[in-house]
Amino acid sequence: GESVGLHLPTLSVQEGDNSIINCAYSNSASDYFIWYKQESGKGPQFIIDIRSNMDKRQGQRVTVLLNKTVKHLSLQIAATQPGDSAVYFCAENLKISGFQKLVFGTGTRLLVSP
Amino acid sequence: ETGVTQSPTHLIKTRGQQVTLRCSSQSGHNTVSWYQQALGQGPQFIFQYYREEENGRGNFPPRFSGLQFPNYSSELNVNALELDDSALYLCASSLAGEALEQYFGPGTRLTVT
Repeated sequence: GESVGLHLPTLSVQEGDNSIINCAYSNSASDYFIWYKQESGKGPQFIIDIRSNMDKRQGQRVTVLLNKTVKHLSLQIAATQPGDSAVYFCAENLKISGFQKLVFGTGTRLLVSP
Repeated sequence: ETGVTQSPTHLIKTRGQQVTLRCSSQSGHNTVSWYQQALGQGPQFIFQYYREEENGRGNFPPRFSGLQFPNYSSELNVNALELDDSALYLCASSLAGEALEQYFGPGTRLTVT
């Protein structure tokens, strides 16, 4: 089936802590995964992506890990800041004849306390 | 900001009415995808337009339809509105072949009463 789910609906951390947001996906054929950040009243904002031939990718303060064996994806945010408070979605790219679409999970709300 | 714009920002309609939402894609992007995001949920794919034609569709009934214009802007039309159509409607633009990198607009909040 098509489903991308998240284990934790809400994650509360203190400013300066490292945050880890997890995601499980179901489609073994997915070749591309993306993490989006969505702030209230805004559309999803691209954070980082990873292709299925990689296990890890790092950006500025963010790292995405991909474990294809257990179909698990995680987003690590280093030194979390109040501005990181938002809902985070993972999405997998699903290829269907003639086009590709993103399948999103429900999302995890990250709350960062000063 | 992604350069993708949507209008209107908010909209209130009555059950049974029809609605048209608009999206202007990022400069140079020729593919537009539409998503429905219910409160507390992740976006759900509605359909995708490329070269003014629908080239992919999600699990949405035919009363959800769309258009893409020569300048790559797009419309989403919903007929016979139902209460469950209340949601944030997002459009995302991308380059054909690079549909992986989709840039989202701010969305249109539709409320059906």
